[in-house]
Amino acid sequence: DAGITQSPRHKVTETGTPVTLRCHQTENHRYMYWYRQDPGHGLRLIHYSYGVKDTDKGEVSDGYSVSRSKTEDFLLTLESATSSQTSVYFCAISESVQTQNQPQHFGDGTRLSIL
Amino acid sequence: SQKIEQNSEALNIQEGKTATLTCNYTNYSPAYLQWYRQDPGRGPVFLLLIRENEKEKRKERLKVTFDTTLKQSLFHITASQPADSATYLCALDGSSASKIIFGSGTRLSIRP
Repeated sequence: DAGITQSPRHKVTETGTPVTLRCHQTENHRYMYWYRQDPGHGLRLIHYSYGVKDTDKGEVSDGYSVSRSKTEDFLLTLESATSSQTSVYFCAISESVQTQNQPQHFGDGTRLSIL
Repeated sequence: SQKIEQNSEALNIQEGKTATLTCNYTNYSPAYLQWYRQDPGRGPVFLLLIRENEKEKRKERLKVTFDTTLKQSLFHITASQPADSATYLCALDGSSASKIIFGSGTRLSIRP
């Protein structure tokens, strides 16, 4: 299994609080991704990173920010959590410059509940 | 916009039969398509990748086809087993080389 660790695995918090999810990889892969997975929507890309300090928005980036200060760590922050951000969040990594022919490897997710 | 449809939310079949899952896409011509398996409480795991110039790809009991005319991929599991029960996701390359787009998945149940 690819070395990807997500923390925390579960979190319950209140509306309006800031939340940071962490993804740590030991594979030295260049690309890292944050997805959310909701029933009926599948996996939707929030943000991704193509190198240290290089990030870009995905399909559902509103309300989220990311940072990547080291190759191995990719942080996802909800500045002020809302109930609509209750979801399961997955981090993924991929190896090379082009993801054609390169699969993504996923962590086991963070289940986040915003009350 | 690009759209992927996995047209069965759930599929139940008898052990030993062949399971066939369908992935259709519109408004795009992907260079490749991937299939993933996801178990409850776990992240997706990559199974197979097929390129646009490949008609068929096999791996053990798995077979994937890619029909660019029909804009469709079929995923087959032969001699299915209860351990094959999971959700299967298809994914295709998105608008940039860095991103792929996932379907919402088909939940496959194999009954003994």
